[in-house]
Amino acid sequence: QLVLTQSPSASASLGASVKLTCTLSSGHSTYAIAWHQQQPEKGPRYLMKVNSDGSHNKGDGIPDRFAGSSSGAERYLTISSLQSEDEADYYCQTWVTGTVIFGGGTKLTVL
Amino acid sequence: QVQLVQSGAEVKKPGASVKVSCRASGYTFTSYAMQWVRQAPGHRLDWMGWINAGNGNTKYSSKFHGRVTITRDTSASTAYMELSSLRSEDTAVYYCARGFTTVDNWGQGTLVTVSS
Repeated sequence: QLVLTQSPSASASLGASVKLTCTLSSGHSTYAIAWHQQQPEKGPRYLMKVNSDGSHNKGDGIPDRFAGSSSGAERYLTISSLQSEDEADYYCQTWVTGTVIFGGGTKLTVL
Repeated sequence: QVQLVQSGAEVKKPGASVKVSCRASGYTFTSYAMQWVRQAPGHRLDWMGWINAGNGNTKYSSKFHGRVTITRDTSASTAYMELSSLRSEDTAVYYCARGFTTVDNWGQGTLVTVSS
């Protein structure tokens, strides 16, 4: 069974960078994932798709500060030059045998 | 641009059903799937099911034990999600989202409150 694992929380200072991780369960290291951002009291917003080779395809209007990468079964979202509006929950998402799977989400706090 | 506009908030009694709509624009409706995802207060995103807007095929999460039905009206570029036998635990924001594998656009969400 495919499971996506995310750390429940992360924090970084205003203007700094942060790298969030989404780990694919054993046997699923070749799967692509998508990252979604959910700001407080708002709906989710698609950020990008990250492939197993590290290539990524961002959604419309997503700033260059957001980048995706991969290593083995881990998929990353790096946010540079953190701004206050980046404080949000970040979810990874993938698909297997017709089922959509979400990670548990990481709550990012901008200090 | 792609837009998914959902119907308004609902308040339902336990045991009732609710039907949420999602009107799509800005793309060819039948070329994509429409997913339905819900989020209970303070909880994670929870996938409910999807419909292939082209051929009408559906798949549902087993978690809902047959209580969810997703349909579409291609003439109106609209997808629908109906949840039956509502209970208090179904109180949540319900989202439609476009995509077969990668969800790349989201509706604004519909709050469904189940209360006696």
